Amino acid sequence: ETGVTQSPTHLIKTRGQQVTLRCSSQSGHNTVSWYQQALGQGPQFIFQYYREEENGRGNFPPRFSGLQFPNYSSELNVNALELDDSALYLCASSLGLPVEGYTFGSGTRLTVV
Amino acid sequence: AQSVTQLGSHVSVSEGALVLLRCNYSSSVPPYLFWYVQYPNQGLQLLLKYTSAATLVKGINGFEAEFKKSETSFHLTKPSAHMSDAAEYFCAVSSFQGAQKLVFGQGTRLTINP
Repeated sequence: ETGVTQSPTHLIKTRGQQVTLRCSSQSGHNTVSWYQQALGQGPQFIFQYYREEENGRGNFPPRFSGLQFPNYSSELNVNALELDDSALYLCASSLGLPVEGYTFGSGTRLTVV
Repeated sequence: AQSVTQLGSHVSVSEGALVLLRCNYSSSVPPYLFWYVQYPNQGLQLLLKYTSAATLVKGINGFEAEFKKSETSFHLTKPSAHMSDAAEYFCAVSSFQGAQKLVFGQGTRLTINP
């Protein structure tokens, strides 16, 4: 059983640029969620995808967008990067039922300069 | 709306001592509750979860937590701390409704003294 893998592990971007982060879900998981974890904070929910459709969104602006593909892998896109976007971005996959729990990847550390 | 409050951003205990990490939640619907651990430069690993079955939940690495509805609490304990337990611990709440997102607390950094 493979876990959740995220790429890249680290990334440095310039303010105003765009970035794409990628996530491969755990085998058999059809739901993927993205979280932003700022330094010293708990993760904050960005959005969730279930079977390629957005299934909920947190308090993040539209420049944060996502995709889920037929194989349940996922992308997080952030446009017009701001300094405050610097954070660890975590992907979590699940079977779509909270009782099953969520499996997290190791994250992508994004630094915006 | 759901929320989680973790009392104490830093907890320090001696090796072999009891570990107690506090978590209180707020939820308008029956909650699912989770404890995750995060080691430096890593993602989150699930320690244990409460999903409306037994109120005393046993997890990995000797940790357990007790769901107390009257106190809206889900405190994490371990009888005897090991050096390897040093990490950041997050309590989270979810529900079976809506997007089933996890709402996390701010985290508690656990330090183990030799």
